[in-house]
Amino acid sequence: EAGVVQSPRYKIIEKKQPVAFWCNPISGHNTLYWYRQNLGQGPELLIRYENEEAVDDSQLPKDRFSAERLKGVDSTLKIQPAELGDSAVYLCASSLYGGSNEQFFGPGTRLTVL
Amino acid sequence: GDSVTQMEGPVTLSEEAFLTINCTYTATGYPSLFWYVQYPGEGLQLLLKATKADDKGSNKGFEATYRKETTSFHLEKGSVQVSDSAVYFCAGANSKLTFGKGITLSVRP
Repeated sequence: EAGVVQSPRYKIIEKKQPVAFWCNPISGHNTLYWYRQNLGQGPELLIRYENEEAVDDSQLPKDRFSAERLKGVDSTLKIQPAELGDSAVYLCASSLYGGSNEQFFGPGTRLTVL
Repeated sequence: GDSVTQMEGPVTLSEEAFLTINCTYTATGYPSLFWYVQYPGEGLQLLLKATKADDKGSNKGFEATYRKETTSFHLEKGSVQVSDSAVYFCAGANSKLTFGKGITLSVRP
């Protein structure tokens, strides 16, 4: 069974530039999550989707971050414009359904903003 | 809100040493509890979990018991191996998964 796929694995951009991350969850998983992991910290939830609906985006900085999950399968997270403080690892995870169900994580995208 | 506190790291042990990594949680009610591990260059993966008080999760020689009275979920292994070197995250889940800061374990031969 293929795991959660993310791309790119690494991205280096200059501040004020846009950037996008892509995630393909495990087949059949209805719930998709985006997390941000700062250096030396645990992951923090940005947004959770149940199918194509964003059911928890309370931690997503909506002035510059946006996400979509068209057709309820793969998802894109965008930052525009990027700031220095956005440098982090962006993780995607999926689960069969929400709640305390086991989440499966992708390898992450390491973003560096210069 | 919910929070998870892990002991400060990093931790360095010799092979075959006993390992304990402390984790306590603060939450509404009794969340499910997890230990995730991140090996070098890899993504987070679930190591073990417990969904209710007194449950013991176990996997790959690691164990953790859900202690409601002390709100703890300490990770233990009787004899660590070099291959256990990784970052370990404790997490709790009510409506969402809340992670601790993680702790880096290095096991030397």
